[in-house]
Amino acid sequence: SAVISQKPSRDICQRGTSLTIQCQVDSQVTMMFWYRQQPGQSLTLIATANQGSEATYESGFVIDKFPISRPNLTFSTLTVSNMSPEDSSIYLCSVRGHRETTEAFFGQGTRLTVV
Amino acid sequence: SQKIEQNSEALNIQEGKTATLTCNYTNYSPAYLQWYRQDPGRGPVFLLLIRENEKEKRKERLKVTFDTTLKQSLFHITASQPADSATYLCALMDSSYKLIFGSGTRLLVRP
Repeated sequence: SAVISQKPSRDICQRGTSLTIQCQVDSQVTMMFWYRQQPGQSLTLIATANQGSEATYESGFVIDKFPISRPNLTFSTLTVSNMSPEDSSIYLCSVRGHRETTEAFFGQGTRLTVV
Repeated sequence: SQKIEQNSEALNIQEGKTATLTCNYTNYSPAYLQWYRQDPGRGPVFLLLIRENEKEKRKERLKVTFDTTLKQSLFHITASQPADSATYLCALMDSSYKLIFGSGTRLLVRP
């Protein structure tokens, strides 16, 4: 299993500013992901955070808007840049092993409100 | 396009009854399917994984079935309790080993 600490747990930000969300895992993990969950919706994968290289982004998400760092196997950050009210959402960090059958573990999420 | 569908309407049942939630998928050929529970303000928590060659999987009061012909999984909670009230998500791994989630079904168990 893995324990994930994600912070901040919530924030209210002004439009046009940026917020960096941190994800710390209690053990080294191969695969780390960032998801977005809008109110009443399911989780949408933003990107896979790759250790030592650029993140791999899903369709509709770009590095300029959501820069991601992963300096080692236990830590990653997601920045939401130049925020607008449409970015208001819950952002979740997730990890799992590289085998197909391994379960995913999630942080408690960051509830972001952009005003 | 690939799609995972769960009933968006909340399921409201009486304590003690069996809750049955449905997950349908299209344009996938998953080898595994997972179910998660999500409580308000929390991240999803893994419950069960079922493989394509398993028709049924049980864990305590939970039972999952997987019909690759119908492209459907059913998730059952027997002897339901108010503490089972939550949103339940099904998830499939795509060909790139990324976990893709359905929209979830909210379950409300009345005492």
